[in-house]
Amino acid sequence: QKEVEQNSGPLSVPEGAIASLNCTYSDRVSQSFFWYRQYSGKSPELIMSIYSNGDKEDGRFTAQLNKASQYVSLLIRDSQPSDSATYLCAAYSGYSTLTFGKGTMLLVSP
Amino acid sequence: GAVVSQHPSWVICKSGTSVKIECRSLDFQATTMFWYRQFPKQSLMLMATSNEGSKATYEQGVEKDKFLINHASLTLSTLTVTSAHPEDSSFYICSAPIARDTEAFFGQGTRLTVV
Repeated sequence: QKEVEQNSGPLSVPEGAIASLNCTYSDRVSQSFFWYRQYSGKSPELIMSIYSNGDKEDGRFTAQLNKASQYVSLLIRDSQPSDSATYLCAAYSGYSTLTFGKGTMLLVSP
Repeated sequence: GAVVSQHPSWVICKSGTSVKIECRSLDFQATTMFWYRQFPKQSLMLMATSNEGSKATYEQGVEKDKFLINHASLTLSTLTVTSAHPEDSSFYICSAPIARDTEAFFGQGTRLTVV
């Protein structure tokens, strides 16, 4: 069973701080990685995709990928209360099945 | 991003009846669609992967005769929950990648309540 692992949290940060979310994956052939945000009672929405080793920045979000360590992370700068949600890490397996981690709950306090 | 539309957004049905959920890709052709189920405060669980024109691939433990998936066109996949029971009450969500192994976009989800 190919797995994506995340700490369930909650991760609590004050407003304006940097939130750091981490994810590991077990399938070495995975090439595509994604971060989604899910608010309670809603479906997930895509935040970032990353395919190559290194950093990818989009606004306040930076995704980092290290294929050798099988590790993906998401940094959220200048965290806002509206960022409070569950963040899901996802990866494709070798069979093109998109597998999700259990998600990390982020709480940003004003 | 691409748009995936799911209908209905919520449904209440009587135990023993069947419910059909539709998932449409509005601005791209989806050769693959994923169906997930999510119970309250739990993670997304992949139920099955549907591929246009072929049989769906079900995850271990998911009853294919109970959760019927049809992907008859490049823009439409349906999930039918047959003989629904209260334990089938859940949040069902579809998603579709715009191309193989790329970003997948989610429908709005369907909240099913079986009474």
